[in-house]
Amino acid sequence: EVQLVQSGVEVRKPGESLKISCQGSGYSFVKYWISWVRQVPGKGLEWMGIIYPDDSDTRYSPSFQGQVTISVDKSINTAYLQWDSLRASDTAIYYCARRAVYSSQGSDYWGQGSLVIVSS
Amino acid sequence: DIQLTQSPSFLSASVGDRVTITCRASQGIGSFLAWYQQKPGKAPSLLIHTASTLQSGVPSRFSGSGSGTEFSLTISSLQPEDFATYYCQVLTGYPRTFGQGTKVEI
Repeated sequence: EVQLVQSGVEVRKPGESLKISCQGSGYSFVKYWISWVRQVPGKGLEWMGIIYPDDSDTRYSPSFQGQVTISVDKSINTAYLQWDSLRASDTAIYYCARRAVYSSQGSDYWGQGSLVIVSS
Repeated sequence: DIQLTQSPSFLSASVGDRVTITCRASQGIGSFLAWYQQKPGKAPSLLIHTASTLQSGVPSRFSGSGSGTEFSLTISSLQPEDFATYYCQVLTGYPRTFGQGTKVEI
């Protein structure tokens, strides 16, 4: 069974750093792109970026380039989303999602979401 | 960047209704479009990919159509479990933008 399991709720202060995780299982992790999607509570979905675990090829949305870092540790089938200095506006739910084999097939499996709260 | 505009943003409907949601792309994207359903407190789930291909396990009352810049998602007979928010997403180029969402309410 394909699963993406994300890290839990995180509470941080503005200016602090954070790294959240997404561990895949039940499939060949390195052969499927993993994307990250932000959802501010009560708002829509925002595509942040995507990484190919096998070679760490990474693409970012211009809206998030330089604001976050997407990385992967293929030895433990885990993708990461990282902030060096959080802002209150980073408060949101963050989802990871597996891109299907072909780009035209969309994201077929999603993690359960990680809630990040940034507040002083 | 390719922009996606969904309409309507909100839709009030009843069980048994036929419902259509439209997604318009700012430039041609062929059939590189997906539709997702999101229920409150849950992750999105894939309904349709390649504009019109039903994802495995999705009920046949859902259908997608369109190509180029105009796409639609149709629910032929709305069921209680279909009240949710629906998003389209472009699947070519970067960023892989989502539409702003359509909330289907009772």
